[in-house]
Amino acid sequence: NAGVTQTPKFRVLKTGQSMTLLCAQDMNHEYMYWYRQDPGMGLRLIHYSVGEGTTAKGEVPDGYNVSRLKKQNFLLGLESAAPSQTSVYFCASSYTAGALSYNEQFFGPGTRLTVL
Amino acid sequence: AQKITQTQPGMFVQEKEAVTLDCTYDTSDPSYGLFWYKQPSSGEMIFLIYQGSYDQQNATEGRYSLNFQKARKSANLVISASQLGDSAMYFCAMRDGGMNSGYSTLTFGKGTMLLVSP
Repeated sequence: NAGVTQTPKFRVLKTGQSMTLLCAQDMNHEYMYWYRQDPGMGLRLIHYSVGEGTTAKGEVPDGYNVSRLKKQNFLLGLESAAPSQTSVYFCASSYTAGALSYNEQFFGPGTRLTVL
Repeated sequence: AQKITQTQPGMFVQEKEAVTLDCTYDTSDPSYGLFWYKQPSSGEMIFLIYQGSYDQQNATEGRYSLNFQKARKSANLVISASQLGDSAMYFCAMRDGGMNSGYSTLTFGKGTMLLVSP
């Protein structure tokens, strides 16, 4: 049981390049999330998905796209990378997401992305 | 709009002492959940403890307890008998809403860095 995995772990891009971050979970969770973590900012939600084939915008969605073609995978895409997108990206998943649900989000190990 | 505030950028504590990490929140939703996560220097996010807005008792998990004061909208994390391995960044997070959609998302505070000294 690997939990939540992220590929790649590190990446360096040049401005304008594109890339896709892959998140996979083997816990059969319905809900998946992408966050970015910047120094002094905590974690901010980029996009999330409440089920296969569905996605929604979070707090900071600009410059990113996502897809959830399979329940276990959640992809985060950067079409034209900018230096402002240099960050650590975390994927997470959860079984439920009700306001009173005690089910926590399980996080992947993170991807450190640098855009030059 | 929901908001989480962690006013302590950094905290120092000696080994074996207790420490309280502050968290205040703002929401107009009567139903919400509060979480604490730990992020050691290795970077992973580790879930510590959860408190629901209707829970009558403060949550406890081993050396972690949550001092939940609903009227003051605070959810402070108390770590008893600190250990060197407790040195890490700690994040408070809240999940509210979802009354109509059935789901809601987490909003995180900016974190508190805890350093435990021998």
